[in-house]
Amino acid sequence: QSVLTQPPSVSGAPGQRVTISCTGSSSNIGAGYDVHWYQQLPGTAPKLLIYGNSNRPSGVPDRFSGSKSGTSASLAISGLQAEDEADYYCQSYDSSLSGYVFGTGTKVTVL
Amino acid sequence: QVHLQESGPGLVKPSETLSLTCTVSGYSISSGYYWGWVRQPPGEGLEWIGKIYHTGNTYYNPSLKSRVTISVDTSNNQFSLKLSSVTAADTAVYHCTRVYSFTASTDYFDYWGQGTLVTVSS
Repeated sequence: QSVLTQPPSVSGAPGQRVTISCTGSSSNIGAGYDVHWYQQLPGTAPKLLIYGNSNRPSGVPDRFSGSKSGTSASLAISGLQAEDEADYYCQSYDSSLSGYVFGTGTKVTVL
Repeated sequence: QVHLQESGPGLVKPSETLSLTCTVSGYSISSGYYWGWVRQPPGEGLEWIGKIYHTGNTYYNPSLKSRVTISVDTSNNQFSLKLSSVTAADTAVYHCTRVYSFTASTDYFDYWGQGTLVTVSS
């Protein structure tokens, strides 16, 4: 069972801004561990989208941004595009579980 | 560009051992980084299985530790996963990954294989 909770789904019209939350606890995000985000397009492998809470790997559009505060983190997608329809997962480390943990995943739908 | 490719049987019988190999190209495993496995049951989320360094140092998900062995073959630039005593609950797409591992507080998975579906069924 995932220890990082995400909303099952979010949706928005093209051009709009959507945000995805990732809620953890004092043993993971709240303990200061970084949060990373992955995008999984249908039928493909996850792709690193944001690392170290707010950093974008080369090639990731600046429409994607990440932030972290307290025991939660957020991924924002601005100027939503049809190609952004995918599942998104957050990831961190949990000291109680002594391992990497992923969020429950959020499906983004472009209306 | 770093490329990872999983290989192995797509069907394993219950109680038997699942064995997969990941072949890495575009980067020498001996040069550094940890290398790991993540799985995804059909229609579900991601679960970390474990990771290995080229020296053989390993870390496993405690929930799977009793059944998992990850090994490395630097001469062939490959690393492998063995999961014993499998059940239907182990049916999943298994991805091999490169782990950017500086400290546990910063680690993330920067390259992924496309994944291979392993079904546990008699």
